[in-house]
Amino acid sequence: EADIYQTPRYLVIGTGKKITLECSQTMGHDKMYWYQQDPGMELHLIHYSYGVNSTEKGDLSSESTVSRIRTEHFPLTLESARPSHTSQYLCASSDLAQREQYFGPGTRLTVT
Amino acid sequence: QKEVEQDPGPLSVPEGAIVSLNCTYSNSAFQYFMWYRQYSRKGPELLMYTYSSGNKEDGRFTAQVDKSSKYISLFIRDSQPSDSATYLCAMTTDSWGKFQFGAGTQVVVTP
Repeated sequence: EADIYQTPRYLVIGTGKKITLECSQTMGHDKMYWYQQDPGMELHLIHYSYGVNSTEKGDLSSESTVSRIRTEHFPLTLESARPSHTSQYLCASSDLAQREQYFGPGTRLTVT
Repeated sequence: QKEVEQDPGPLSVPEGAIVSLNCTYSNSAFQYFMWYRQYSRKGPELLMYTYSSGNKEDGRFTAQVDKSSKYISLFIRDSQPSDSATYLCAMTTDSWGKFQFGAGTQVVVTP
């Protein structure tokens, strides 16, 4: 079982609030990813990182930002939450030499 | 048109039956193919990983890749109620590892 953690698991928050979704992995993986998943839809890549101080935007336009100050930690921040941000957010990681991605349990965000 | 197509289901089968899942794709550059299982309100869990064409077997699971037809399959033998989940296919090219996912097929195995 992959050691990748996300907190909180569930979050209900009001419009306009700033939120940070946490993701940590203990596997020493260089690559980390954030995906957004809506019911019945494919996962959409919103951010990724190859390593410390490396961050890139993914395919899906997102108003969120990420940082990668430590290898094991890849938080995602929404400066001002909106109802359109309501979704499940999945964090994943993989080793540079491997193709398989390992996922965390997800954070289900509801913005009211 | 989506790069990866997957029938959303639900696919309902009796316990003990063979579950057959598939994905089609349009990008001939895809070389690495994965199947993930996702239970409700959980993150996807890697089931099978294959490179290029051919078959791979792991216990009750068999993954097949037909690159000439741009078609991949996952078979689950002797299905159990615990196999009830959504199954996602994913694939990537021989590059840095950016994945394309299918939307998932919901499988229901009834006792």
